Amino acid sequence: GQQVMQIPQYQHVQEGEDFTTYCNSSTTLSNIQWYKQRPGGHPVFLIQLVKSGEVKKQKRLTFQFGEAKKNSSLHITATQTTDVGTYFCAGEGNFNKFYFGSGTKLNVKP
Amino acid sequence: EAEVAQSPRYKITEKSQAVAFWCDPISGHATLYWYRQILGQGPELLVQFQDESVVDDSQLPKDRFSAERLKGVDSTLKIQPAELGDSAMYLCASSPDRGYTGELFFGEGSRLTVL
Repeated sequence: GQQVMQIPQYQHVQEGEDFTTYCNSSTTLSNIQWYKQRPGGHPVFLIQLVKSGEVKKQKRLTFQFGEAKKNSSLHITATQTTDVGTYFCAGEGNFNKFYFGSGTKLNVKP
Repeated sequence: EAEVAQSPRYKITEKSQAVAFWCDPISGHATLYWYRQILGQGPELLVQFQDESVVDDSQLPKDRFSAERLKGVDSTLKIQPAELGDSAMYLCASSPDRGYTGELFFGEGSRLTVL
């Protein structure tokens, strides 16, 4: 079946350093979404990418969707302690079915 | 701001007991999802409803899990009997329509511990 792989599993950074997480799908996706889950919380939507090669920015966060619509990345510039959490990608396949990656847990040391 | 409501937030039960979780999606949302999230992993889809109909339950362990959305509004997920491996967070999410391709709105989740 469809799988979405995400790396790395964990990332520990010093505040101010950059962070990147990568997402790869075994099949072409209709679109890809990114979510953030704070410790003890629920996934909260960050953004959706739809077009091949699309790049979107939200302040210090940059999201990219690959040309083949099979991979995506999230890059955070100059991390802050408020960025702590687990970041998930979710690829949409057929019939609005979303396949979540395993997540990248980000820890930011002040 | 409208939210997805879930209850209970926490449930501790013994192996072989029955448990049930309830979800009330955002008003007007036609699509409802139940996800299971094991600690340290991503959410895994258990069942997807469009109104009162099941769209996908291919990953639902039907020998012990059942889900219903009788009137196409709120939904119940039941586990009977519970097993140790069922310990997880059960997340409910909704979206406006089957044709809608936008964000999923998640509830706070129901954390299940099976002893």
